[in-house]
Amino acid sequence: RKEVEQDPGPFNVPEGATVAFNCTYSNSASQSFFWYRQDCRKEPKLLMSVYSSGNEDGRFTAQLNRASQYISLLIRDSKLSDSATYLCVVNIYSSASKIIFGSGTRLSIRP
Amino acid sequence: SQTIHQWPATLVQPVGSPLSLECTVEGTSNPNLYWYRQAAGRGLQLLFYSVGIGQISSEVPQNLSASRPQDRQFILSSKKLLLSDSGFYLCAWSLPHNSYNSPLHFGNGTRLTVT
Repeated sequence: RKEVEQDPGPFNVPEGATVAFNCTYSNSASQSFFWYRQDCRKEPKLLMSVYSSGNEDGRFTAQLNRASQYISLLIRDSKLSDSATYLCVVNIYSSASKIIFGSGTRLSIRP
Repeated sequence: SQTIHQWPATLVQPVGSPLSLECTVEGTSNPNLYWYRQAAGRGLQLLFYSVGIGQISSEVPQNLSASRPQDRQFILSSKKLLLSDSGFYLCAWSLPHNSYNSPLHFGNGTRLTVT
């Protein structure tokens, strides 16, 4: 079983729609969680950290469910510029930070 | 502020040739350092990570190796490249190991094509 699993998509939604991505992780010792965004042929960039109480940054909301080992990302009022691949990231912290990426979910926003 | 430099941006190498990719970080001390590889259309695969000079953890068996000769320098090497080594190689850093909420910050990556 992969350590971090995501639906690869692609998700193709109209501009203005709300879209949600899910991610599951297998290691219950995982300590911290992030969502990254990657544009085609570019390096990943941090979108937001994910906190236990849930957190929001503008149109983006992240949730963490430790009991179910599940992370989500909600994008409201999607823009054309939101088209990218969204990567779920888990830090399996023990004696060192081992940071594992999901394979990513592709999102395409159409006009 | 912290910056990360990775070079070269692109590289074309024949099968069987050696490889050396270098990454340096500025503006922070004792960072965690990482090498990832992304094959075309695939996710990021963790290759190596390091919490200090000379301390390297390897995630997958392969013909690649990593070294950390200085605190803020991380090198990825191969003695003989394979076709399957083609991909997008990304170096990244995070705050030291006791800062587990620290996200990763990536270099611009090296696109390697093995011919």
